[in-house]
Amino acid sequence: EAQVTQNPRYLITVTGKKLTVTCSQNMNHEYMSWYRQDPGLGLRQIYYSMNVEVTDKGDVPEGYKVSRKEKRNFPLILESPSPNQTSLYFCASSPGQGAGYTFGSGTRLTVV
Amino acid sequence: QQQVKQSPQSLIVQKGGISIINCAYENTAFDYFPWYQQFPGKGPALLIAIRPDVSEKKEGRFTISFNKSAKQFSLHIMDSQPGDSATYFCAAARSGGYQKVTFGTGTKLQVIP
Repeated sequence: EAQVTQNPRYLITVTGKKLTVTCSQNMNHEYMSWYRQDPGLGLRQIYYSMNVEVTDKGDVPEGYKVSRKEKRNFPLILESPSPNQTSLYFCASSPGQGAGYTFGSGTRLTVV
Repeated sequence: QQQVKQSPQSLIVQKGGISIINCAYENTAFDYFPWYQQFPGKGPALLIAIRPDVSEKKEGRFTISFNKSAKQFSLHIMDSQPGDSATYFCAAARSGGYQKVTFGTGTKLQVIP
């Protein structure tokens, strides 16, 4: 089944404790992206990647890091999480060329 | 800067009625306008999309209307059903090269029996 898999689905952590949210897609898509979803703000892009080793900032990149060492994986790293990063996070992938994104099921992160 | 404005924020429609969600964009370079549907606990899923070379696209009960001169587009859900209850996001993108997608803020639709 073609899908984007994120882990974990739920995560509660403390301020300052580094964490990684993993994302993997099995569709051989070129493009991958991370979004955060907050009430009233919709989906805001954090980082995106156009191919292996090619990444760039989205609209809200502060406090986040990403890497794309393999085509299928695009982990999101929070080096020192803060409470304002409490949110619902989505990873997505696309073949590009005007095709839509396939989203993962989301990771609900709470930073206390 | 919000480049895609979506309204209303929430919508209640009776079963069998028409649900209408509106979006407006600012960047005339956008040339791909998808709509996503999100159920609770799930990620958004592509519902229907349109390009500016057509004014309307219909797939089943879902229709996108597009007004290029006004820089507006809308989603119409005909014969709305309780199973359509979800959050709907409009979006806009430039399809050439990297497809950076800008989303609207979402509309929570509730279809009541």
